[in-house]
Amino acid sequence: QKEVEQNSGPLSVPEGAIASLNCTYSDRGSQSFFWYRQYSGKSPELIMSIYSNGDKEDGRFTAQLNKASQYVSLLIRDSQPSDSATYLCAVIRSNDYKLSFGAGTTVTVRA
Amino acid sequence: EAGVTQSPTHLIKTRGQQATLRCSPISGHTSVYWYQQALGLGLQFLLWYDEGEERNRGNFPPRFSGRQFPNYSSELNVNALELEDSALYLCASSWGQGRGYTFGSGTRLTVV
Repeated sequence: QKEVEQNSGPLSVPEGAIASLNCTYSDRGSQSFFWYRQYSGKSPELIMSIYSNGDKEDGRFTAQLNKASQYVSLLIRDSQPSDSATYLCAVIRSNDYKLSFGAGTTVTVRA
Repeated sequence: EAGVTQSPTHLIKTRGQQATLRCSPISGHTSVYWYQQALGLGLQFLLWYDEGEERNRGNFPPRFSGRQFPNYSSELNVNALELEDSALYLCASSWGQGRGYTFGSGTRLTVV
C-alpha cells in the first residue's frame, strides 16, 4: 500500500467549474497534511495546509480532512486556466516526520 | 525575505563523475530536505538535515550523500553518476517538525 495515493487523473474541467481532487493516506497517526501545486518544469508551491478535521478555505481553494477515513481533498472553485497544473498531496509521517508525496493529479482547465 | 535558493540551476555531467548541488534555506529554518524528481515521476525523499545532523534518508544508495553547514546551508553530493540520476533535485526547508516545506527552484541534473 502506498503511503499517499491520489486519484490518478488527468482531470479536465471547464473554466468556472469546480475541480475536485482526492487523496488517501496510510499512516493513521499523521497529523499534518498539505496540498502543493506544481507547474510544468517548476518546483512545488505550498497552497494549503490542514491539521484538524473539517474544512479550511483560502480564497478559491478549500481543503477537507477526515482523519477517521484517512482522506484529504482539495476543491478549486471557479477554476481558471492559470489553475492548470499538477496538484500534489503530501502527508507528514508520524514516526519520522518525513513529508511523503502522492504521485499528483494533473488538472487542465479548458477556456 | 529570500526564499530557498539552489545552485546551480542546471548541471551537465558525464557518467561516472561526481555532482555537487547546493542549497540555502530560508533564514531561521534549521531543517533542509532533499528530494529527487525524475521525469514523469513523483517526488522521492532523499535526505533530511537538521542542526547539522542527518536525521533521515530515503531508499537511495550510499553514493547519494550530503551535509549541512553551521549556517544551515546544505550540499548534496552524488558520486559515480549514472544515467538514471538525471532528474530535478529539489531542496526544501521548514521551521519546525510537522510544518509545510518551502521548496527552492531546483537543480536540473543531466547525466550523459
